[in-house]
Amino acid sequence: SYKLTQPPSVSVSPGQTASFSCSGDKLGDKYASWFQQKPGQSPVLVIYQDNKRPSGIPERFSGSNSGNTATLTISGTQAMDEADYYCQAWDSITVVFGGGTKLTVL
Amino acid sequence: QLQMQESGPGLVKPSETLSLTCTVSGGSISSSNYYWGWIRQPPGKGLEWIGSRSYSGSTYYNPSLKSRVTISVDTSKNQFSLKLTSVTAADTAVYYCARHTVTAMIPDYWGQGTLVTVSS
Repeated sequence: SYKLTQPPSVSVSPGQTASFSCSGDKLGDKYASWFQQKPGQSPVLVIYQDNKRPSGIPERFSGSNSGNTATLTISGTQAMDEADYYCQAWDSITVVFGGGTKLTVL
Repeated sequence: QLQMQESGPGLVKPSETLSLTCTVSGGSISSSNYYWGWIRQPPGKGLEWIGSRSYSGSTYYNPSLKSRVTISVDTSKNQFSLKLTSVTAADTAVYYCARHTVTAMIPDYWGQGTLVTVSS
């Protein structure tokens, strides 16, 4: 079955750039999406189809996808961005999520 | 604004069937642009996709759960439902209903989630 791999944690200082990787076999041939989940809340879609932002998502969130790796970038990270981030892809049979990366804003 | 709300028992006994319903408001479940599905999250763990179904009956299920899962759609009530049979403690999780886009099956809108505990 298809698998997506994410590092367990990322730490950044406020105002810095946070980058999250998501790796999977030929992931660049699929669409990657990203979700933000804060404690006790439902996940929120922040990037879809590799690099598109849903309405209401700040411009500091951006995405890319090539080869075997998709990347979510948060520019000018704010304390409110502290959350778990999950990548997701569709392999034409199942929806697959990565294991999630916890962002700590120091 | 689309809203989705899960409902159902919060406690299910081992070996029994877990049944949840998602009520959709602010949009029609009969849209050909979307699938309607379920995702779960065990306490303190990551997200696990369960499956999705279109209003016309096309379905996709997680292979690891396929033998125990049924997702159905009731267009007259603008609801869809999940049945998971023969549950064990490993099925204890927060269950989310979610709308999925036809393109790339992206869960773009989520319900608030409901905790289901499997225990005797």
